[in-house]
Amino acid sequence: QTVVTQEPSLSVSPGGTITLTCGLSSGSVSASDYPSWYHQTPGQAPRTLIYNTNIRSSGVPDRFSGSILGNKAALTITGAQTDDESDYYCMIYMGDGTSVFGGGTKLTVL
Amino acid sequence: EVHLLESGGGLAQPGGSVRLSCVASGFTFGDYTMTWVRQAPGKGLEWLSVISGSATGGVTYYAGSVKGRFTISRDNSRDTLYLQINSLRAEDTAVYFCAKFPSPRIVRHLFYFDSWGQGTPVIVSS
Repeated sequence: QTVVTQEPSLSVSPGGTITLTCGLSSGSVSASDYPSWYHQTPGQAPRTLIYNTNIRSSGVPDRFSGSILGNKAALTITGAQTDDESDYYCMIYMGDGTSVFGGGTKLTVL
Repeated sequence: EVHLLESGGGLAQPGGSVRLSCVASGFTFGDYTMTWVRQAPGKGLEWLSVISGSATGGVTYYAGSVKGRFTISRDNSRDTLYLQINSLRAEDTAVYFCAKFPSPRIVRHLFYFDSWGQGTPVIVSS
């Protein structure tokens, strides 16, 4: 069973830059795994941020960007705002019609 | 505007069954791949199952952890997605979300969700 790994928690100061990563227990994440990113505030439904590694979903501010850094997918927030305090999840397509979410990163902005 | 409304959750007995529904509006439901995701209390998201659009025959896939107990289906005439859960266990307690894919097919480069419902909670307890 492949595990998708994320930092359990991170913090950033308002206006700062933070990078969240998404890895695979069994190897590397590449663009051909088409990673996607979602965020969720408590009690709310998830919302889509990034798909196909680096394409922003409709209405997502350009301070959010996706990339591959080394052997992991990455979500970078440039100029973090207090509203960005949220749980962030990546998802990796497994190639067999199934997909797996990472455990999520709780981002604190303070 | 896309709208997805889940229902069918509530208190259920261990060993019992529940059928969740997700009524869609704002798009041609039958044309799109749909999926279920759940979130246990205080836990992260877990992808469960996917069903392709009608043009591709409603192909289904399941996460290994639920294969055999969960069944995804759709009624395009009713714009409704379903998730049947059998042999309920305490660990099935979660909020269940339906979500829409941007494509009628299950393909690697389009395996993501562009709209989500608000979720329906299932509590498995005696």
